[in-house]
Amino acid sequence: SQTIHQWPATLVQPVGSPLSLECTVEGTSNPNLYWYRQAAGRGLQLLFYSVGIGQISSEVPQNLSASRPQDRQFILSSKKLLLSDSGFYLCAWRGLAMGGELFFGEGSRLTVL
Amino acid sequence: GDSVTQMEGPVTLSEEAFLTINCTYTATGYPSLFWYVQYPGEGLQLLLKATKADDKGSNKGFEATYRKETTSFHLEKGSVQVSDSAVYFCALSDALTGGGNKLTFGTGTQLKVEL
Repeated sequence: SQTIHQWPATLVQPVGSPLSLECTVEGTSNPNLYWYRQAAGRGLQLLFYSVGIGQISSEVPQNLSASRPQDRQFILSSKKLLLSDSGFYLCAWRGLAMGGELFFGEGSRLTVL
Repeated sequence: GDSVTQMEGPVTLSEEAFLTINCTYTATGYPSLFWYVQYPGEGLQLLLKATKADDKGSNKGFEATYRKETTSFHLEKGSVQVSDSAVYFCALSDALTGGGNKLTFGTGTQLKVEL
């Protein structure tokens, strides 16, 4: 069966520090991968998605970037965090043979102070 | 662009009450529709889905019917339990987005069930 993992689960970082959140998927190959952000009291905003290694599409201009160095690995990064980067970050995958639904990781809660 | 509108919460019900959470959508093409549930501090779990008009998705006593004529996908449950307390998200996937197949989410509706 397929599984998805994110880490770290919780992160507290000062403004201006770098960020790296990692997501890996197991049990599938060539999945579409996604990063969403959920700000406090708000819905989910799609940040990036990837349809293959090295292929990244950005949905909104922002202080973050994403990379996909391996087929089942998706990384969210920032060189200098802003207060507004605080939120709950969710990684998700979609297999090509599925009905269109996404499967989400456990989430990473980032607090920027 | 695509959008999903959900009723605002929180919705507070007594145990065994009937639940309806309204969801309407705007999309080009023929989207698939989903309900996700998020328990405190966790990621999203797929609750149910419907991929074409008049389909009914169901799971764990929850149901939702894809109504193309009213562009709606309302979530219902006949008798809620305290354990159903969570945030519920309605979402759509536009089949026309090609390789991206992105999901567009509503803002979520918090449900609180009390004894």
